[in-house]
Amino acid sequence: QVQLVESGGGVVQPGRSLRLSCAASGFTFSSYGMHWVRQAPGKGLEWVAVISYDGSNKYYADSVKGRFTISRDTSKNTLYLQMNGLRPEDTAVYYCAKDGSYDSGVIDYWGQGTLVTVSS
Amino acid sequence: QLVLTQSPSASASLGASVKLTCTLSSGHSSYAIAWHQQQPEKGPRYLMKLNSDGSHRKGDGTPDRFSGSSSGAERYLTISSLQSEDEADYYCQTWHTGIQVFGGGTKLTVL
Repeated sequence: QVQLVESGGGVVQPGRSLRLSCAASGFTFSSYGMHWVRQAPGKGLEWVAVISYDGSNKYYADSVKGRFTISRDTSKNTLYLQMNGLRPEDTAVYYCAKDGSYDSGVIDYWGQGTLVTVSS
Repeated sequence: QLVLTQSPSASASLGASVKLTCTLSSGHSSYAIAWHQQQPEKGPRYLMKLNSDGSHRKGDGTPDRFSGSSSGAERYLTISSLQSEDEADYYCQTWHTGIQVFGGGTKLTVL
């Protein structure tokens, strides 16, 4: 069965960096687009970024463009999110999610999330 | 601009049915959406993809009690025979040229 396990969250000071990882299993990782979606405390879901199956296409929400970078390592079946210049408003649970296509479309599986807290 | 609009809250009695609505912004009435459920303190779970013609594809393990339908720019999620575990937040999601959009979510209370 599909499993997505996020890691790398924690408490970080404003302006610092953090890298999240998502270990994928139970499907052919190299065939599907992958997303990061976040949820601030008590708020709704906010899409962050998507990467196509081969890494050739990447799209970002305006709120993170220029600060966050999504990437993937097919040899390790792992998705990453490099977060630079973190702000208090980036505090959220970050979910890794699988797309139902090779690019960006319906999200059909979710991970359990990892909490990022940006605070001094 | 592609926007999804959901009512913030809904309620229905145990064993009854409820219909949640997700409305696509003007000019986007042909778009497909997906419905996701988020139970308290848990990650989201995909329920189904819903097309503009009302056809839908459910996720693994989505109970038969959950169904989808469409009318114009409206996309619906109907839950019948409500159970206590259906008390959750429900989000709709759509996409266009790589960009993803989520609705604000509907908090469903089972009375």
